Amino acid sequence: QSALTQPASVSGSPGQSITISCTGTSSDVGGYNYVSWYQQHPGKAPKLMIYEVSNRPSGVSHRFSASKSGNTASLTISGLQAEDEADYYCSSYTSSSTPFVFGTGTKVTVL
Amino acid sequence: QVQLQESGPGLVKPSETLSLTCTVSAGSISSYYWSWIRQPPGKGLEWIGYIYYSGSTNYNPSLKSRVTISVDTSKNQFSLKLNSVTAADTAVYYCASRRVGSYYFDYWGRGTLVTVSS
Repeated sequence: QSALTQPASVSGSPGQSITISCTGTSSDVGGYNYVSWYQQHPGKAPKLMIYEVSNRPSGVSHRFSASKSGNTASLTISGLQAEDEADYYCSSYTSSSTPFVFGTGTKVTVL
Repeated sequence: QVQLQESGPGLVKPSETLSLTCTVSAGSISSYYWSWIRQPPGKGLEWIGYIYYSGSTNYNPSLKSRVTISVDTSKNQFSLKLNSVTAADTAVYYCASRRVGSYYFDYWGRGTLVTVSS
């Protein structure tokens, strides 16, 4: 099972919006509404930001939103803040030999 | 809120067995699937496998021949054993929970770095 494809890096200025893509196949992203997104600051554990494509856990800022179209999921961060600078990983349930696959990861830089 | 804490040796010799334990607090061990996920330095996340309190398991095929995950419900702990390790197994190892019926990891331990070196 190959990792889901994410851009290596995305950057934006404070206050701007950025979008991170996560491309898979019909066996994972496209086939199920089980895409999740994780934020990871350096030296810290990943933190769940989005589950089941577009749902935010309690306590996650409304500035984080997500969606899916076909085999590609997207995470949008609105009103970019310095604290949003981190690595972001998508994940999906998959019908392949392993039930879970992660994305390659995207480093978000706040300029 | 579930809290998870990994413990175990930070250094393992090549060809030996990596052993880690995750202690669960503030959560019912029967309500979740319990996973191990690892992250080599500077790289992405890799799902290793999970166990349910009943003992049923599911492993990543790429590691299946070397991995065993077990659970001790009396201690609210689950464990990872990875045998015949090489330098490629050097990583931060995380334990994480997944609520029954869901397909995302809601709680994570802080992670523990395991280095494979002689």
